[in-house]
Amino acid sequence: AQSVTQLDSQVPVFEEAPVELRCNYSSSVSVYLFWYVQYPNQGLQLLLKYLSGSTLVKSINGFEAEFNKSQTSFHLRKPSVHISDTAEYFCAVKRGTASKLTFGTGTRLQVTL
Amino acid sequence: NAGVTQTPKFRVLKTGQSMTLLCAQDMNHEYMYWYRQDPGMGLRLIHYSVGEGTTAKGEVPDGYNVSRLKKQNFLLGLESAAPSQTSVYFCASSYSDLGLAGGNEQFFGPGTRLTVL
Repeated sequence: AQSVTQLDSQVPVFEEAPVELRCNYSSSVSVYLFWYVQYPNQGLQLLLKYLSGSTLVKSINGFEAEFNKSQTSFHLRKPSVHISDTAEYFCAVKRGTASKLTFGTGTRLQVTL
Repeated sequence: NAGVTQTPKFRVLKTGQSMTLLCAQDMNHEYMYWYRQDPGMGLRLIHYSVGEGTTAKGEVPDGYNVSRLKKQNFLLGLESAAPSQTSVYFCASSYSDLGLAGGNEQFFGPGTRLTVL
């Protein structure tokens, strides 16, 4: 069985500060990793994904995540957050042959002035 | 291109009532999914479908039924609603895995907020 752990349910941060949202997974087979973002009262949108190749993946709005196989982690980082980044962030894992994702419980990022 | 749409957006039911949530996608995706989202629990998969006429159980299927009679539609039914089914329901769709090395993105609808009294 696979599981996804997001240890931080809430992360408060000041605008322009750096942030890291943690994600760890467990799986005995190869995985594909995703970060989704959910803005208030909306559905989820894909932020970035790791499939293969370079372990560092980036989004168009400045987020990045690094796949660390030895630590089974896929932490999300941004060097300088903006008020508009306030949202809930979900890490998700997919096994190579599966047709479904397993989601973490989410981390609410609250950016304030 | 509307993407994934869900009907209705909000609904209030009394215990024991039935209802159907409709999900429609116009991206010709093979796979479709129904999730529920509850505070502190993330998204949990209820049922999913890998093609027209097929359905499969997810993590939390009890109390729900689904049908995929047309490729673009995926219906979620509650035969006898219970307060424990108060939640926000999300539908999602994606292409199949064939030839894409498992990297298909799931596209989500805006959600249906259901309250069962």
